Amino acid sequence: DGGITQSPKYLFRKEGQNVTLSCEQNLNHDAMYWYRQDPGQGLRLIYYSQIVNDFQKGDIAEGYSVSREKKESFPLTVTSAQKNPTAFYLCASSSLLGTVSNQPQHFGDGTRLSIL
Amino acid sequence: AQKVTQAQTEISVVEKEDVTLDCVYETRDTTYYLFWYKQPPSGELVFLIRRNSFDEQNEISGRYSWNFQKSTSSFNFTITASQVVDSAVYFCALYTGGGNKLTFGTGTQLKVEL
Repeated sequence: DGGITQSPKYLFRKEGQNVTLSCEQNLNHDAMYWYRQDPGQGLRLIYYSQIVNDFQKGDIAEGYSVSREKKESFPLTVTSAQKNPTAFYLCASSSLLGTVSNQPQHFGDGTRLSIL
Repeated sequence: AQKVTQAQTEISVVEKEDVTLDCVYETRDTTYYLFWYKQPPSGELVFLIRRNSFDEQNEISGRYSWNFQKSTSSFNFTITASQVVDSAVYFCALYTGGGNKLTFGTGTQLKVEL
């Protein structure tokens, strides 16, 4: 079945360590996104990519980095510069085909990141 | 700037009650899209509905219905005869402009008890 796979489901980071969250989609979607969710808050956009080898910062990009070397994959690295990384991270994808650039975004099951 | 307000942080109802989740949005754009998503305890977001700014028709899908009123900038969601499986966090979201960027509200936690 088509969908978005995020791994791992749970991740622990030590102080000063970079960690990478995986996001893979087999929906043939052009656009991919990373959101951060904190308790009692909505989702905030970290980075998004509309095409391979191109990506843009979202609202809270500081302390994060991404790459988009393949259409199917959009990994997110949480760097040591991100001082408060504990959160739930959601990856999403959507199609940019046609005139419906507002396609509902499909979401993965999320990765919960905690500090050791 | 875009903004979505979900003033209800948490709602508790007894099964079979009707419940309405409120969503108020702000935008200066004349073309925009509104969404509702459900986030069950498992964490993933499930798309429920999309509505564009030119279509103010209310929509019903089974026990779910949506009331879009541009005059009050609201897009409320009603669940009729609620069930325990409806327990989740519900997010309202607004899309305007390029980049497919959604602005989310803070969510409403719905608890349906027996």
